[in-house]
Amino acid sequence: EIVLTQSPGTLSLSPGERATLSCRASQSVSSSFLAWYQQKPGQAPRLLIYGASSRATGIPDRFSGSGSGTDFTLTISRLEPEDFAVYYCQQYGSSPPRWTFGQGTKVEIK
Amino acid sequence: EVQLVESGGGLVKPGGSLRLSCAASGFTFSSYTMNWVRQVPGKGLEWVSSISSSSSYMFSADSVKGRFSISRDNAKNSLYLQMNSLRAEDTAVYYCAREFYDSSGYGFDYWGQGTLVTVSS
Repeated sequence: EIVLTQSPGTLSLSPGERATLSCRASQSVSSSFLAWYQQKPGQAPRLLIYGASSRATGIPDRFSGSGSGTDFTLTISRLEPEDFAVYYCQQYGSSPPRWTFGQGTKVEIK
Repeated sequence: EVQLVESGGGLVKPGGSLRLSCAASGFTFSSYTMNWVRQVPGKGLEWVSSISSSSSYMFSADSVKGRFSISRDNAKNSLYLQMNSLRAEDTAVYYCAREFYDSSGYGFDYWGQGTLVTVSS
């Protein structure tokens, strides 16, 4: 079973700063099946990035994803007030078939 | 406009059963794999179960295998989760989510607002 570990647990930054979030897999995963989500309190998650680096429809270009194998990164180039939220990575493994989420990274206002 | 609306949550005693529904609209429901994802309030996301567009394959997390069953009715544009032998640790908000894919990869692109299931005596 593949385990996703996100770091840091909490990121304290100011608006306008750059945020770099990490997602590390316990074994190599296919980039096609690596996605990132944003979740705000009381709301459902929102798809940001899929296929490790493709932005979902309507997602601003300040959000970017990169990585391959076991190490993936979500970068927010300049934090806007609405970007303070919890971010999750997700992957699909085929043996056995299942989706897995990381434990989340909270981006909070410093 | 794509909409997913869950219903059926509520308070149930340990060992009890509950059936969640997800009503889909605004897209061709029968063309998409659908999923259930749950979240204990204040905690992270946990994938629960997936079902392919024609119900030809289904798979579930080990934590619910043998107790929960996913199904769909494409004629009614509806997704279901039958939950039996419920435990306190099944208490969570349950979301239905559409699985999207293109040449770049996969993701869950639309989510419902969630329905809360509370298992308590």
